[in-house]
Amino acid sequence: ETGVTQSPTHLIKTRGQQVTLRCSSQSGHNTVSWYQQALGQGPQFIFQYYREEENGRGNFPPRFSGLQFPNYSSELNVNALELDDSALYLCASSLTAGIQETQYFGPGTRLLVL
Amino acid sequence: QKEVEQNSGPLSVPEGAIASLNCTYSDRGSQSFFWYRQYSGKSPELIMSIYSNGDKEDGRFTAQLNKASQYVSLLIRDSQPSDSATYLCAVESGGYQKVTFGTGTKLQVIP
Repeated sequence: ETGVTQSPTHLIKTRGQQVTLRCSSQSGHNTVSWYQQALGQGPQFIFQYYREEENGRGNFPPRFSGLQFPNYSSELNVNALELDDSALYLCASSLTAGIQETQYFGPGTRLLVL
Repeated sequence: QKEVEQNSGPLSVPEGAIASLNCTYSDRGSQSFFWYRQYSGKSPELIMSIYSNGDKEDGRFTAQLNKASQYVSLLIRDSQPSDSATYLCAVESGGYQKVTFGTGTKLQVIP
């Protein structure tokens, strides 16, 4: 167990709907990164939040957005869901945003878009 | 060219043998390299991190980094059936912890 929790564990939505996924970081960690992992692929970096500010973003469209709260928990929001958004969504927390900091992954949220 | 490349496998080794997993990357500016293990249906778990050229050993695991060749590898000695999993190579780039993962190599350790 890494101390990183995510909710919900599973979710089914239909195309065009919106979804919010949640992540609680490990105690003392101020940095959260979100990843999308499609079946048979490695995780793809979506974005990172450091002290409530977006600190970097991967190649995902603007309908993927996020928030980090003062307690460093985080949300990932996806609007106008598409079938290809079906994936495992992982959040990872780290002590700081330093490049050598270890990222600890949560168990993930499995999203199915029908 | 993919940013981080791994052979998808499966790589099959007998129990007790050495498993060798390889990864190449394209960004010469990358400074941090990681190996994660992922069991089916689970999230990735960090096994090793390496930041400088050479070897780094931790128990049965050895990570090797060659920045000139843009190559990083993971050796697993005395492989056990419990080592059967997908091994993900991850490379930091962008200077702010943006980590790019390979597609993973599936390892099967045969009893």
